[in-house]
Amino acid sequence: EIVMTQSPATLSVSPGERATLSCRASQSVSINLAWYQQKPGQAPRLLIYGASTRATGIPARFSGSGSGTEFTLTISSLQSEDFALYYCQQYNNWPPSLTFGGGTKVEIK
Amino acid sequence: EVQLLESGGGLVQPGGSLRLSCAASGFTFSGYAMTWVRLAPGKGLEWVSTISASGGNTYSADSVKGRFTISRDNSKTTLYLQMSSLRAEDTAVYYCAKPPPVAGTDYFDYWGQGTLVTVSS
Repeated sequence: EIVMTQSPATLSVSPGERATLSCRASQSVSINLAWYQQKPGQAPRLLIYGASTRATGIPARFSGSGSGTEFTLTISSLQSEDFALYYCQQYNNWPPSLTFGGGTKVEIK
Repeated sequence: EVQLLESGGGLVQPGGSLRLSCAASGFTFSGYAMTWVRLAPGKGLEWVSTISASGGNTYSADSVKGRFTISRDNSKTTLYLQMSSLRAEDTAVYYCAKPPPVAGTDYFDYWGQGTLVTVSS
């Protein structure tokens, strides 16, 4: 099973600042990597797929980069609605399994 | 508009059973593989099980293999998860999720709102 490790677990950022979230895979997943945002009581929302392609309706302040084992989600200027949990997910090792990272909580500093 | 509506969650004792349903609408259900993902308290998202569009192939996480069974009824556009031998660690919100309309993609562009399963005596 491919293990996805996200860091940091919590990121404290002031509104308007840049946030950089990391996701590392235990083996190469090529660019088969997605990012999701989740707020309490809500379903996850797809942000990025293919490591760097924004999903429909996602603001340009969200960008993804990386390939192989190292990936980054950058939020260029944090808005109040961006404070949430973020998960990465690999879909390269499929079948037999899909795996998510443990998540990064972006909180207000 | 794509809609996924889960139901069937609740409180169940350890060792018990429960069947979750996910009613789908707004897309050609029979054309998509469908997946269950869960979120346990204080933990991250965990893939649970996936079923192919026809229902002929299923895949499950090791943590639920032999205890959970995914199925679907394309005539009713409904996805199911039959859960048995439930354990405390199965306590979670269970989401059904749909992939985008691109072959070979296994991420999810639509998710239901989830149904809570609590396993406790």
